Amino acid sequence: EDKVVQSPLSLVVHEGDTVTLNCSYEVTNFRSLLWYKQEKKAPTFLFMLTSSGIEKKSGRLSSILDKKELFSILNITATQTGDSAIYLCGIGNEKLTFGTGTRLTIIP
Amino acid sequence: EAQVTQNPRYLITVTGKKLTVTCSQNMNHEYMSWYRQDPGLGLRQIYYSMNVEVTDKGDVPEGYKVSRKEKRNFPLILESPSPNQTSLYFCASSLERVSSYEQYFGPGTRLTVT
Repeated sequence: EDKVVQSPLSLVVHEGDTVTLNCSYEVTNFRSLLWYKQEKKAPTFLFMLTSSGIEKKSGRLSSILDKKELFSILNITATQTGDSAIYLCGIGNEKLTFGTGTRLTIIP
Repeated sequence: EAQVTQNPRYLITVTGKKLTVTCSQNMNHEYMSWYRQDPGLGLRQIYYSMNVEVTDKGDVPEGYKVSRKEKRNFPLILESPSPNQTSLYFCASSLERVSSYEQYFGPGTRLTVT
């Protein structure tokens, strides 16, 4: 059974701080690792990672995958209050298995 | 506007009364999926469909049925709802397999079974 573990479960930081969210996985047939952001409603897509060592970047957010050690990290620099959300990591092949998420709170 | 729609958005029902939550997408996506989200358990996939008439179980299919008779629609059926199916449900779609393309989520359906 595929398994995804995210840490920490929750994180509270001050605006302007840099945060690192972790995602480790066990999967029998890896195709891709996906990051989603969920604010008050539906999740929205952030990144899809398929290759080890290649950083995906979008503004202040970046993510990298290590297929040898079976983990990924999501970095957010210069955090803003709008970054407050639940960040979900998932492993996709035909189906998609998510971790329980990291709840990030940014204090002004 | 490209979107995934779900109806109803909120539903309170009683144990054993059959219900259907509809899901429709207007993006001609092949892949559609249902998830439930519960505190502390995250987002868990119930069923997915790779294309018309092709459906498969996700991680938590017990107590649910789906059908995919048309490409745009993917209803979720609870034949005999129970209180442990009280949850927030999301429908999602993607162009093709979920590992290769981003998913677009519907707005969610909050279901309460008493």
